[in-house]
This record gives sequence, structure tokens and C-alpha cells, in this order.
Amino acid sequence: GDSVTQMEGPVTLSEEAFLTINCTYTATGYPSLFWYVQYPGEGLQLLLKATKADDKGSNKGFEATYRKETTSFHLEKGSVQVSDSAVYFCALSPPGAGNNRKLIWGLGTSLAVNP
Amino acid sequence: DVKVTQSSRYLVKRTGEKVFLECVQDMDHENMFWYRQDPGLGLRLIYFSYDVKMKEKGDIPEGYSVSREKKERFSLILESASTNQTSMYLCASSLYRGGEQYFGPGTRLTVT
Repeated sequence: GDSVTQMEGPVTLSEEAFLTINCTYTATGYPSLFWYVQYPGEGLQLLLKATKADDKGSNKGFEATYRKETTSFHLEKGSVQVSDSAVYFCALSPPGAGNNRKLIWGLGTSLAVNP
Repeated sequence: DVKVTQSSRYLVKRTGEKVFLECVQDMDHENMFWYRQDPGLGLRLIYFSYDVKMKEKGDIPEGYSVSREKKERFSLILESASTNQTSMYLCASSLYRGGEQYFGPGTRLTVT
């Protein structure tokens, strides 16, 4: 079945460091892909998305490119801030019409940014 | 902006009590979801609904039920709370099936 695998955390970085959080997926066809962020004590927020191969989603300095050939959607940011400390979730929406198009979630990656 | 609200941020209940968690969304979304979030286990889907009075079991429905009498409101019910239901509960809604989901702030439930 469809699945999402994220790199395990926690990830600890210094402010202004480069961030990569790996996400790979297994799915037939072309799923839509999402990154969500959960700040401490809050619910999840959509960070960015991509709906077809080679699309690049971007928001708040974060980027992720939908790579069909490597079935990946890695999250990157050039210079992290303390305020980026959060848990990041990768998710996919299986392609095709159907009654049960639930999102498939990765387990989340915790990021801590130190000043 | 889509707003999803949940009735409580923190809740403490006793074993055996009936617990109601309420979720309301204000964007006329067809689809609503209940998840629980536990350390190391990520998000697990309990139930979801694609229409009023319609419900579908998710991955872990045991011990839970749901109600959707109005489009904007989706309730999660723990018929007889147990300590292993201590968790963070997250409600979400989406406009399209399989589309991006919008989350409420969560309810942290403790069952003692």
C-alpha cells in the first residue's frame, strides 16, 4: 500500500544553518504531496504542497521539489531560525478518484534550532 | 482563512466516563477527520466523514464513535474512557477528498 517515510529526528541545528528533512514515498501513479508543520502546543498547518512531478512548493523560505524518479519530496530551508523549531510532517494523497482518499502521513520529524 | 475549532484544549476525565470532543469548521467543507497523535506513532486516523450523517472508520476506530448531524460539526465520542485513550486529539477538515486538510488546535485528553 501507499506509505511515507521521513527521516527520524530529532534534528538539532544552529541558527542560520541549512535544513534538509528527507521524505520518500511509495504510491502508484502520481500522488499529491504535502508538508505540514506543528508548532509547540498547536495543531498542524499546511506549509507547502506539490501536485505533479517536478513541481516545487515553497512557503516561508521552505522549499520542496516533487521528484518522481526518486519518489522523494525533501524539505529544505537555506537559513533556519529559532522560530522554525517545530515538528514537520510529510504526507501524500493517493491519486485517482475514489471514496477513501485519505492522507497518508509520515511519523514526523522534530526540529530544534538553537540560537 | 479556514478556521477549525475544538471545544477544549485540555480535558481530564475518569476511567469509564463518556467523553465528547466537539469540532466545528466554518468553511463549508464536506470532509472532516478525527486523529489521535501519540509520541513515536505520528497521526493515526480514527474516523472520518464525507457528508452529513455519513461516517467511515479509519485505522483505529475501536473504542470510539462519531456523530455528524450538521455539516460544520463533527463529534468524537469515547463511550467509556480508558487510560490508553490518553492522547492528543486533532480534528481536521478539507474541501476536497484527498485535498489539503486544515487542523484545529487539538485537545489534550488525560484519562485517570
